Amino acid sequence: DAGVIQSPRHEVTEMGQEVTLRCKPISGHDYLFWYRQTMMRGLELLIYFNNNVPIDDSGMPEDRFSAKMPNASFSTLKIQPSEPRDSAVYFCASRPTGSAGANVLTFGAGSRLTVL
Amino acid sequence: EDKVVQSPLSLVVHEGDTVTLNCSYEVTNFRSLLWYKQEKKAPTFLFMLTSSGIEKKSGRLSSILDKKELSSILNITATQTGDSAIYLCAVEQASGTYKYIFGTGTRLKVLA
Repeated sequence: DAGVIQSPRHEVTEMGQEVTLRCKPISGHDYLFWYRQTMMRGLELLIYFNNNVPIDDSGMPEDRFSAKMPNASFSTLKIQPSEPRDSAVYFCASRPTGSAGANVLTFGAGSRLTVL
Repeated sequence: EDKVVQSPLSLVVHEGDTVTLNCSYEVTNFRSLLWYKQEKKAPTFLFMLTSSGIEKKSGRLSSILDKKELSSILNITATQTGDSAIYLCAVEQASGTYKYIFGTGTRLKVLA
């Protein structure tokens, strides 16, 4: 299994530009999570999906952020317009539904975003 | 508000030392507690704990959960420079669906 795949790995953009981050979860995993990591705040949950349906988006900082999961193998996190304070590492993670032994969250390598 | 708190925030030790990292939580609908190690990239899974008092071990690393005290510890014995990383604690909530709340992590640096 290739694991959780994220792209791009690095993105440098200017304030006001649209940013789209992409994620392919592990096949068969029906939960997908988007996290943001900064030195000050650690790993913050932005939104998560179950069977492609958004369950909790209370962590999305503001309307500039949106996320979609059009099918079981693809999700996007979009920031429009981007601001310097959005600079962070964005992680996608997935997990399967199952018994207690199956509840390990597996992370992608992350997308490092720098907004100038 | 649900929260997970880790201590210390950072730690510098010498090779061979033993370290203990702490995680405490106030989370509704607790299901499990997980420890992850994060080096330069993605967090990687170490342990999952669901029952109090049962130690999980993997080589020089071990962890235990105390549900009465709402806490967990991660021990690393005979530390090596390769143990330098951020150690993250996460609590899984289960109330219909599953959600993970992470602490801010403990940054461990092991000096040669």
